[in-house]
Amino acid sequence: GAVVSQHPSRVICKSGTSVKIECRSLDFQATTMFWYRQFPKQSLMLMATSNEGSKATYEQGVEKDKFLINHASLTLSTLTVTSAHPEDSSFYICSVGKWREGETQYFGPGTRLLVL
Amino acid sequence: RKEVEQDPGPFNVPEGATVAFNCTYSNSASQSFFWYRQDCRKEPKLLMSVYSSGNEDGRFTAQLNRASQYISLLIRDSKLSDSATYLCVVFMGAGTALIFGKGTTLSVSS
Repeated sequence: GAVVSQHPSRVICKSGTSVKIECRSLDFQATTMFWYRQFPKQSLMLMATSNEGSKATYEQGVEKDKFLINHASLTLSTLTVTSAHPEDSSFYICSVGKWREGETQYFGPGTRLLVL
Repeated sequence: RKEVEQDPGPFNVPEGATVAFNCTYSNSASQSFFWYRQDCRKEPKLLMSVYSSGNEDGRFTAQLNRASQYISLLIRDSKLSDSATYLCVVFMGAGTALIFGKGTTLSVSS
């Protein structure tokens, strides 16, 4: 498996502020990390694929200038929600891609964001 | 058409019941298939992989039918602790992200 941490676990912020979420792969060097978002009673929706040392690939409909992703090392990817608005309130989950035989992705514990 | 479709439920069953969840996927090039479990306000966790030959893990049995692009999960002798949302997941191959269904909610009561 792989151990993935996220920080913070939950955050409450005012509308217009920026929030940074960290995703760390603790025991595996991850060249690829994924960022998902989940609204209540909805499925996990992929936001972007984060590749170490290169620009992230964003899914259709996800604003790259609003959701800044940095994957500067093999163990850390960050997602910054810039100028957050109440509609950005959601559960943000990162995962690490590990494609050895029989393995796929391992998820962090998620970050719950509430924008007031 | 959504890539992965599931009946959202909820399924409300008594302890000891047998319950079956179904899932269909749209992309015939999908390589691997999984069932994940997600508890309220938590991250999803892998429950089991799904193979064409069918596979069983204790009270859980998963089945894949590639011809009809259909995946199933059977839970026997339901426990209270089985209450969760079960996510049908499809994988297109190394380097790609998992594709999740919306999930089926199970509530087991005593």
